[in-house]
Amino acid sequence: EVQLVESGGGLVQSGRSLRLSCAASGFTFDNHAMHWVRQAPGKGLEWVSGISWNSDIIGYADSVKGRFTISRDNAKNSLYLQMNSLRVEDTALYYCAKDDGGISIFGFGYYLDYWGQGTLVTVSS
Amino acid sequence: DIHMTQSPLSLSASVGDRVTITCRASQSLSSHLNWYQQKVGKVPTLLIYGASSLSSGVPSRFSGRGSGTEFTLTISSLQVEDFATYYCQQTYSTSWTFGQGTKVEIK
Repeated sequence: EVQLVESGGGLVQSGRSLRLSCAASGFTFDNHAMHWVRQAPGKGLEWVSGISWNSDIIGYADSVKGRFTISRDNAKNSLYLQMNSLRVEDTALYYCAKDDGGISIFGFGYYLDYWGQGTLVTVSS
Repeated sequence: DIHMTQSPLSLSASVGDRVTITCRASQSLSSHLNWYQQKVGKVPTLLIYGASSLSSGVPSRFSGRGSGTEFTLTISSLQVEDFATYYCQQTYSTSWTFGQGTKVEIK
């Protein structure tokens, strides 16, 4: 059974940093690109960042580019999101998501097939 | 980033109605377009991938069409369990984006 368990969320002041982690199990982690998706309270889904199976291909949403860094450790079956210079508008539930494992011409897969339950990040002013 | 625009943003419908949601992209996606369903308090689930392929276990009343910049999700006969928010998502780049979501409510 695929399991994705996020951790590291919490309350932080604007301008500070936070590191999220996602522990993966139930599938061959290094066969799949992984992604972070967030959802602000009462709002829609926003893709944040993705990383290919070997970390060669990385992408970010414009809203977090230059502030957030995605990384993975295939030996530990873990995905990370380092979030610096946090803003109030970064407040959201952050989901770790697995992609289908295909490799499109862009280096990621084609869709997200499993999601974790999310970890809540609250940024105060 | 590629911008995705869904319409309508909300709709009210009755059980048994045919419902269609449209998603437009700011540039051509070929068929790199997916649809997800999210119920209140739950994690999103995949409905349609590659614009028109039904994800495993998804009822056949759901269907997707389109290519390029215009896509549709159709529910042929709305059921009680289909009341939810639906999102399109483009994967035609290394910077994915979602549409704003369409909330389907009971009339």
